[in-house]
Amino acid sequence: GQNIDQPTEMTATEGAIVQINCTYQTSGFNGLFWYQQHAGEAPTFLSYNVLDGLEEKGRFSSFLSRSKGYSYLLLKELQMKDSASYLCAVRTAGKSTFGDGTTLTVKP
Amino acid sequence: GAVVSQHPSRVICKSGTSVKIECRSLDFQATTMFWYRQFPKKSLMLMATSNEGSKATYEQGVEKDKFLINHASLTLSTLTVTSAHPEDSSFYICSAFSPDSLSTDTQYFGPGTRLTVL
Repeated sequence: GQNIDQPTEMTATEGAIVQINCTYQTSGFNGLFWYQQHAGEAPTFLSYNVLDGLEEKGRFSSFLSRSKGYSYLLLKELQMKDSASYLCAVRTAGKSTFGDGTTLTVKP
Repeated sequence: GAVVSQHPSRVICKSGTSVKIECRSLDFQATTMFWYRQFPKKSLMLMATSNEGSKATYEQGVEKDKFLINHASLTLSTLTVTSAHPEDSSFYICSAFSPDSLSTDTQYFGPGTRLTVL
């Protein structure tokens, strides 16, 4: 079966850095995605990792270690608008399996 | 970037009626679309994979006669919730992979449809 774990909730301060972890155990692996979802809205794509290492895109970075089944999403210079749910998803055989999401609250 | 639209965005219906939700890829062709369901504060649950010109593939536990999927063209997939009941109330989201990048194969989501069954 597929199993994806991420923390349920996290809180951070505006301007700070936060790291959201995701561990996975899946049969097959074709890439790991991170999405941002604001309440009542559909998810939006943030990042994609298929090889080990760090991918940087502006204030957001994502890291992958396939041997450890581990990824993290790093958010720098946090802004209030970053308060949202962050979903980790693993793509296998043409489908994506999602974790339950991490609700991030950014406080002033 | 690629855009996926859904219609309607919100629907309220009486128990026992059927509701059709449309999902369109606006600027790319999608041979495969996905239908998800999301409960409050929960993640996306894949219901079925919609394949253009063939039958949809349903995930375990999803009733195919309850949730009818039709993928009649490369830009349109529909999900019909038949004989809806209050427990079918949920946020339904469709998505498609856009072939706009050889390395990314990004998945784009529609804005979702909030279904409330009274």
